[in-house]
Amino acid sequence: KNEVEQSPQNLTAQEGEFITINCSYSVGISALHWLQQHPGGGIVSLFMLSSGKKKHGRLIATINIQEKHSSLHITASHPRDSAVYICAAILTDKLIFGTGTRLQVFP
Amino acid sequence: NAGVTQTPKFQVLKTGQSMTLQCAQDMNHNSMYWYRQDPGMGLRLIYYSASEGTTDKGEVPNGYNVSRLNKREFSLRLESAAPSQTSVYFCASSSQAGTEAFFGQGTRLTVV
Repeated sequence: KNEVEQSPQNLTAQEGEFITINCSYSVGISALHWLQQHPGGGIVSLFMLSSGKKKHGRLIATINIQEKHSSLHITASHPRDSAVYICAAILTDKLIFGTGTRLQVFP
Repeated sequence: NAGVTQTPKFQVLKTGQSMTLQCAQDMNHNSMYWYRQDPGMGLRLIYYSASEGTTDKGEVPNGYNVSRLNKREFSLRLESAAPSQTSVYFCASSSQAGTEAFFGQGTRLTVV
């Protein structure tokens, strides 16, 4: 069993829909990253959060450390949001990744 | 991705050949990592280095060796490449406690 689980693995949406991607983990962590990977592209960190909620444009990330759960929300989704979204749990000295959620947003 | 330089971007090897993937970061990060990414498997940790002079095995270390040459550089070596090592490899670095994380652009390796 992976220490970091993401759901769903694949997600399709129509432009404008509200998107939620979930991440749960079984280990004690200090914080968590949400990452974005575009096709053929590199990986960038969208958020790093250790508690509560963070918002950047149409992206919102929440985390509940006690419940070992985090969510990434995309409001008013757009085709350019199509990418793989990965959560990465921060342990003492390393990052552990979920398997990723492939999102496709159609116009 | 600012700060992490990974080379080469593409490589084709024959079974049994060796090669070294290079990674350097200029953000003064203590921790550096090598991951491989395979379809449906996500990013899996090969080796990591929590500080200069130390290296530790990750989830899938077999067939690989690493060197933390100095604080900036962390290389990954395949001594005898196998087709199962066909993958996309990413180098990453992170700050103390992982509050910052940056990734290289990836190396697409094919072993035939």
